[in-house]
Amino acid sequence: AQSVTQLDSHVSVSEGTPVLLRCNYSSSYSPSLFWYVQHPNKGLQLLLKYTSAATLVKGINGFEAEFKKSETSFHLTKPSAHMSDAAEYFCVVSPYSGTYKYIFGTGTRLKVLA
Amino acid sequence: EAQVTQNPRYLITVTGKKLTVTCSQNMNHEYMSWYRQDPGLGLRQIYYSMNVEVTDKGDVPEGYKVSRKEKRNFPLILESPSPNQTSLYFCASSRLEGALDTEAFFGQGTRLTVV
Repeated sequence: AQSVTQLDSHVSVSEGTPVLLRCNYSSSYSPSLFWYVQHPNKGLQLLLKYTSAATLVKGINGFEAEFKKSETSFHLTKPSAHMSDAAEYFCVVSPYSGTYKYIFGTGTRLKVLA
Repeated sequence: EAQVTQNPRYLITVTGKKLTVTCSQNMNHEYMSWYRQDPGLGLRQIYYSMNVEVTDKGDVPEGYKVSRKEKRNFPLILESPSPNQTSLYFCASSRLEGALDTEAFFGQGTRLTVV
């Protein structure tokens, strides 16, 4: 069965310090992986996606993620947090199983401290 | 502007009163789906559609219906809402060809409260 696990439900960082949001996946196939961000009272916006090309993926707003097949991980990072990064982040796997189903992690709420 | 539009954004209703949440996309996407978001559970798929007149159940379909009579519209129907359907609902669309590695576009969400 396919699944995705976000290891931290809440992460707090100080403004200007690095951000690390962790995601592990389980898939029987070569998955596509995504990170989405949800700001309060907003819809979901795509940050970045991995689709079997480069393992280091750069996204919007300075975020990037590295696909590590041996560790089944797709952690999201940013070198320096900004107050505007405070939001909820979702790791999503889209395994090829014929159902075209996106599977969401339970989310990580990022808090940025001044 | 490419977008997915849901209506209404907020809805309070009573148990048993049928309601419909509309979803429309202007990107000619084949694939559309509905999710509900609950605290600590992330987003769970309710139903999805791969094209007109083609729909299938997601992970939590009980108590919901959908239809796909036109490519752009994918309404979510609650025939007899119950309080456990109080949730935040999102509609999403994406291309079908390559949908597995193609961005899903999300609506702004509908916050439903059933009392």
